[in-house]
Amino acid sequence: GAVVSQHPSRVICKSGTSVKIECRSLDFQATTMFWYRQFPKQSLMLMATSNEGSKATYEQGVEKDKFLINHASLTLSTLTVTSAHPEDSSFYICSAPGGAEPLNSPLHFGNGTRLTVT
Amino acid sequence: QKEVEQNSGPLSVPEGAIASLNCTYSDRGSQSFFWYRQYSGKSPELIMFIYSNGDKEDGRFTAQLNKASQYVSLLIRDSQPSDSATYLCAVNRKGNKLVFGAGTILRVKS
Repeated sequence: GAVVSQHPSRVICKSGTSVKIECRSLDFQATTMFWYRQFPKQSLMLMATSNEGSKATYEQGVEKDKFLINHASLTLSTLTVTSAHPEDSSFYICSAPGGAEPLNSPLHFGNGTRLTVT
Repeated sequence: QKEVEQNSGPLSVPEGAIASLNCTYSDRGSQSFFWYRQYSGKSPELIMFIYSNGDKEDGRFTAQLNKASQYVSLLIRDSQPSDSATYLCAVNRKGNKLVFGAGTILRVKS
């Protein structure tokens, strides 16, 4: 089945620094990838849609200048949390539609990145 | 009204029983429905998806969809302690975006 690899799995950084998270589709090409965020005991909230070759589209309330998304190739999307603050501490998960990306295909998730900002 | 609603639980069932998880959604135009399982500290893993009204079975799992009632459910037969997790209902929006419910915590007691 489709595999999405996310790295790093866990990162601790100091307030004010930037953190980059990578998401790779390992056995398929993904023109679209999605970035979600999950706070403790809450559900997944879609942050943005990463589009290969064009700008990402952000959900309402998500600061595009703070959460930089780059979809440089058909297998790689990156999320950079800039000037991180403790309130950015969360579980960040990327996902991609599997295989040939039919309109309603299930999403496959990476293993997630636990970000802790001190 | 939330787009996708689930009872947060916890839902407790004895080992071997049937666990019934329910989900309602608000957008009548939704066409695709997904159930994910999430263990604590892990990312969600897909259990089932359903597109058409009726039942869809896969092993111990059955998804049920009723578009007229805007209702989708997941039945887990012969529940096992390893099924204890949070179950997330998700509905497809335009552009293949998924909107998730808050999840139902399931506890299977041995």
